[in-house]
Amino acid sequence: QSVLTQPPSMSGAPGQGVTISCTGSSSNIGAGYYVHWYQLLPGTAPKLLIYTNSNRPSGVPDRFSGSRSGTSASLAITGLQAEDEADYYCQSYDSSLSGSVFGGGTKVTVL
Amino acid sequence: QVQLQESGPGLVEPSQTLSLTCTVSGGSINSGTYHWSWIRQPAGKGLEWIGRIYTSGSTDYNPSLKSRVTISLDTSKNQFSLKVNSVTAADTAVYYCARGPGSLAFDIWGQGTMVTVSS
Repeated sequence: QSVLTQPPSMSGAPGQGVTISCTGSSSNIGAGYYVHWYQLLPGTAPKLLIYTNSNRPSGVPDRFSGSRSGTSASLAITGLQAEDEADYYCQSYDSSLSGSVFGGGTKVTVL
Repeated sequence: QVQLQESGPGLVEPSQTLSLTCTVSGGSINSGTYHWSWIRQPAGKGLEWIGRIYTSGSTDYNPSLKSRVTISLDTSKNQFSLKVNSVTAADTAVYYCARGPGSLAFDIWGQGTMVTVSS
């Protein structure tokens, strides 16, 4: 059972968009701790996609955007492309655990 | 650019100690206000943060693993290491090392190394 809750899977046709939710609590996202998002592709190192809630590292397409509100955060992917098919994880800090926590991950399928 | 590479045995016997090293290249492990973490992913499951070490040498650990885990830093070799004691099959996973800035994100990851606990 992950501290941060994500839907296990989502899908969309090429060109469409998906929004992945990440629900936490008052000891992590709700306490104002940053949310970060990662993309995991098989056989490759995990990639930081969004940091500090809504910022994109250099090289990440602007099709990816992040937001945070209350005890939740979300990652939006617009204009889905075949190469976006991957697992996505949210991550934050939890004060009651005094450590970093991840969501359970969301597998995005491009139909 | 900074790169991280995990190394260590791919097979560990139950009840033994799992030991991994992460070598940092392209930059000094002592530069900037970074922390250095270990994260793992069992097959078919999600990511689990194991712990981190700061360049000061202070550490934070996942409470669920704290009693069995030690993370250390060797600045002379530009490396940091992970030890997990008394391993069981539940410790079988891909282990990643990662760098983090002050925001507590993980901005650079190693490729990961598979560790299997089995006799």
